[in-house]
Amino acid sequence: GALVYQYPRRTICKSGTSMRMECQAVGFQATSVAWYRQSPQKTFELIALSTVNSAIKYEQNFTQEKFPISHPNLSFSSMTVLNAYLEDRGLYLCGARGGYNNQAPLFGEGTRLSVL
Amino acid sequence: QQQVRQSPQSLTVWEGETAILNCSYENSAFDYFPWYQQFPGEGPALLISILSVSDKKEDGRFTIFFNKREKKLSLHIADSQPGDSATYFCAATSGSWQLIFGSGTQLTVMP
Repeated sequence: GALVYQYPRRTICKSGTSMRMECQAVGFQATSVAWYRQSPQKTFELIALSTVNSAIKYEQNFTQEKFPISHPNLSFSSMTVLNAYLEDRGLYLCGARGGYNNQAPLFGEGTRLSVL
Repeated sequence: QQQVRQSPQSLTVWEGETAILNCSYENSAFDYFPWYQQFPGEGPALLISILSVSDKKEDGRFTIFFNKREKKLSLHIADSQPGDSATYFCAATSGSWQLIFGSGTQLTVMP
């Protein structure tokens, strides 16, 4: 079956440092990957949408300078949180899907980021 | 402006009852509505979805009822089980695949 793996599952970093999280699609070709952040209150914020062979589109309040994303092939994507601070805490979710319209993305288990 | 609204915020039902989770939206361009189930400490898992051309979608104990005119939909969980206790998110998209999530309904099924 189709699955999305994210790692690490949890990470703790010191304020001002950076951490990288990875997302791997198994069993399907992830032509599009969306990175979300889920707050402790469980609300979702879309960070950016990445489609292979297209420019990565960042949402308002999120920038490439802060959250650089790599989507080099149809099975892998990574995102780095640079200079993490308390407001960057949350569950970072990778949602991936294939090339069909009206296809709900599959999410990984998320990477939970804590900042000290 | 919250484009996708869910109610109630939390819901408690007894085992065997039907849980009804509500969702409404504002953007008429939304045409695809997936529902996700999320357990504590885990990512959201796709549960069931519906296109706006349909008014009902059934998958086992889970049924979506969709009313395009009123911009409302609901998820019915029949014969609720304690293992169904989770947070359920309604999401919507207009084909651009930018999902707009609701704020979730936390369901508790009492044994």
